[in-house]
Amino acid sequence: DQQVKQNSPSLSVQEGRISILNCDYTNSMFDYFLWYKKYPAEGPTFLISISSIKDKNEDGRFTVFLNKSAKHLSLHIVPSQPGDSAVYFCAASASGANSKLTFGKGITLSVRP
Amino acid sequence: EAQVTQNPRYLITVTGKKLTVTCSQNMNHEYMSWYRQDPGLGLRQIYYSMNVEVTDKGDVPEGYKVSRKEKRNFPLILESPSPNQTSLYFCASRWRGTDYEQYFGPGTRLTVT
Repeated sequence: DQQVKQNSPSLSVQEGRISILNCDYTNSMFDYFLWYKKYPAEGPTFLISISSIKDKNEDGRFTVFLNKSAKHLSLHIVPSQPGDSAVYFCAASASGANSKLTFGKGITLSVRP
Repeated sequence: EAQVTQNPRYLITVTGKKLTVTCSQNMNHEYMSWYRQDPGLGLRQIYYSMNVEVTDKGDVPEGYKVSRKEKRNFPLILESPSPNQTSLYFCASRWRGTDYEQYFGPGTRLTVT
C-alpha cells in the first residue's frame, strides 16, 4: 500500500514557465513533508519542506503548498530553468524522533530551453 | 565539509559472494538509514539505526544485514547476494528530532550476476 503517491511519472515544461509537481498521501498521521531533488549519478538533495501547521512555504523560486483536507501537496517552481531538470521525490513523515521518511516514486522533470 | 560517503560507488559481483557497502557521515548524526532505488518503485528503506547498537528493519530488509558499532559508520552487508538485489543503494543520515531533513550519500550501483 503506497502511502505517498506521485502519480505522474514525468513532466515537461518550457524554460521560464511554471512547473507544478503533485503529491498525494493517504496516512493522516503524516505531519511533515519534504521534497528532494535528484540528478543522475548523485544522491537526493533536500529542496524544501513544510509542516502540517502551515499551508505554504516558500524558498526563492520554490514554493510548496499543502492541502491537508485533500491530503495533497504540490511543489511550484517559478520560473523553471533547464538546471531544474531532475527527478523530484516527495516524502512524508509522522511526528517523533524515530519516524522514518516515506518516499513517493518520483517525478522526472524536464525543462526545455 | 559535511557529507555522507559510500564505498564502493560501483560494484559488480556474482551470486552468493558476500559483500559490504560502507557508509560514513561526519555530521555526528544519530539517525542513519539505507535505501534502495529501483525503476518505478522510488526509494525504499532497507534498514535504519537510531543510534549506536540500535538498528531496525525498514520496508525491504530481506537479504540484508546492518551494524552500527560506531556513530559515524553504518555498513550494509549482503551475506549471499542474489540478482534481485541489483539496484542503486543510498545511505542517509540526519539528526533525531523534528528536523527530518536527511543527507544522502552519492549512491552505490550494485550489479549481481
